[in-house]
Amino acid sequence: AIQMTQFPSSLSASIGDRVTITCRASQGIRNDLGWYQQKPGKAPKLLIYAASSLPSGVPSRFSGSGSGTDFTLTISNLQPEDFATYYCLQDYNYPRTFGQGTRVDIK
Amino acid sequence: EEQLVDSGGRLVQPGGSVRLSCVAPGFSINSFWMTWVRQAPGKGLEWVANINEDGSEKSYLDSVKGRFIIYRDKSNNALYLQMNSLRVDDTAVYFCARDRNYYAGRIAYDVFDIWGRGTKVTVSP
Repeated sequence: AIQMTQFPSSLSASIGDRVTITCRASQGIRNDLGWYQQKPGKAPKLLIYAASSLPSGVPSRFSGSGSGTDFTLTISNLQPEDFATYYCLQDYNYPRTFGQGTRVDIK
Repeated sequence: EEQLVDSGGRLVQPGGSVRLSCVAPGFSINSFWMTWVRQAPGKGLEWVANINEDGSEKSYLDSVKGRFIIYRDKSNNALYLQMNSLRVDDTAVYFCARDRNYYAGRIAYDVFDIWGRGTKVTVSP
């Protein structure tokens, strides 16, 4: 199975900050990568697919980049509703595998 | 509104069985792949299994192969996860999700775009 290593595992940031989360795949996965946001007690929500594409309705302060093995999720101008846990997910092959998650909380 | 409602989770003893259900009151899931994802207490997300539109293709996480069965009932617009020989480490909140293709240019990418709220399975003596 492809291992997805995500870091940092947690970070503290302030409103208006720019935040970057990294995800590294144990083998090349082209750009078959998505990012999901999860708030406590809630289901995850799709943020990014194809490494850098935003679904309709996702704010433009979210952006993704990368290809192959290294990927990043960037949140610019962090808003109060962005404090959550973020997961990457590879859809290159089975089993689908998630990163361990990055918790973003308020500094 | 497109939503998924998952249910069936309960407390069960090791070695026991549980069947989870997922229905979609506002749309037909029959045209979509569907997926189950779980989350152990205080832990991250883990993909469990998925199934294609007509039930002819299924994939499973290695640790649940031979114990869990994903299937669907088109007449009831429902998805199921039959969980047998349950172990303590199967304890988790289980989410069903719609598993569909989103396109970037002409290339299709697999995403989980609608999720249920989750149903809790606790395996304990």
